Amino acid sequence: EAQVTQNPRYLITVTGKKLTVTCSQNMNHEYMSWYRQDPGLGLRQIYYSMNVEVTDKGDVPEGYKVSRKEKRNFPLILESPSPNQTSLYFCASSFGPTQEYEQYFGPGTRLTVT
Amino acid sequence: SQQGEEDPQALSIQEGENATMNCSYKTSINNLQWYRQNSGRGLVHLILIRSNEREKHSGRLRVTLDTSKKSSSLLITASRAADTASYFCATEDRDDKIIFGKGTRLHILP
Repeated sequence: EAQVTQNPRYLITVTGKKLTVTCSQNMNHEYMSWYRQDPGLGLRQIYYSMNVEVTDKGDVPEGYKVSRKEKRNFPLILESPSPNQTSLYFCASSFGPTQEYEQYFGPGTRLTVT
Repeated sequence: SQQGEEDPQALSIQEGENATMNCSYKTSINNLQWYRQNSGRGLVHLILIRSNEREKHSGRLRVTLDTSKKSSSLLITASRAADTASYFCATEDRDDKIIFGKGTRLHILP
């Protein structure tokens, strides 16, 4: 089944404790993105990747890192999480540029930083 | 930067009625997409309409695009309880990055 998976689905952590949210897709998609969704602010892009070893900043990249060592995986790293990073995070993938191709979204990761 | 903005923010209608939501954007675009999100879950792509298209259908969905007014509408006909969700339009900004609006929350009343 074609899908995007994220882990963990729920995470409660403390300020400053490094964490990684994994994302994997099995559709051989070139493009992958990370978004955060906050009430009243909608969906905002954090980082995106057009291919292996190619990543670029989205609208809200501060406090986040990503890597794309393999085509199928695109982990999101929070080196020193802060409470303002409490949010619902989504990974997404697409065959090509996101403005031209439909994106497939993962189920989301709800992160709480205390 | 806010590109696409949906209107209304929230909409409640009776099951069986048609639901219409609108999206306005600021800069010229190549494509506009609509997505649906069930509560707390990932977005699901509904339809993509290109700038040279005026109308597109998919099942009970009808999307229109008016590039002169920089607006699009999503019509859901004969609504069902399962249509209860948030609906987002997505366009590209000046840097060709995709931007999502804040969404319209649709509630179908039994």
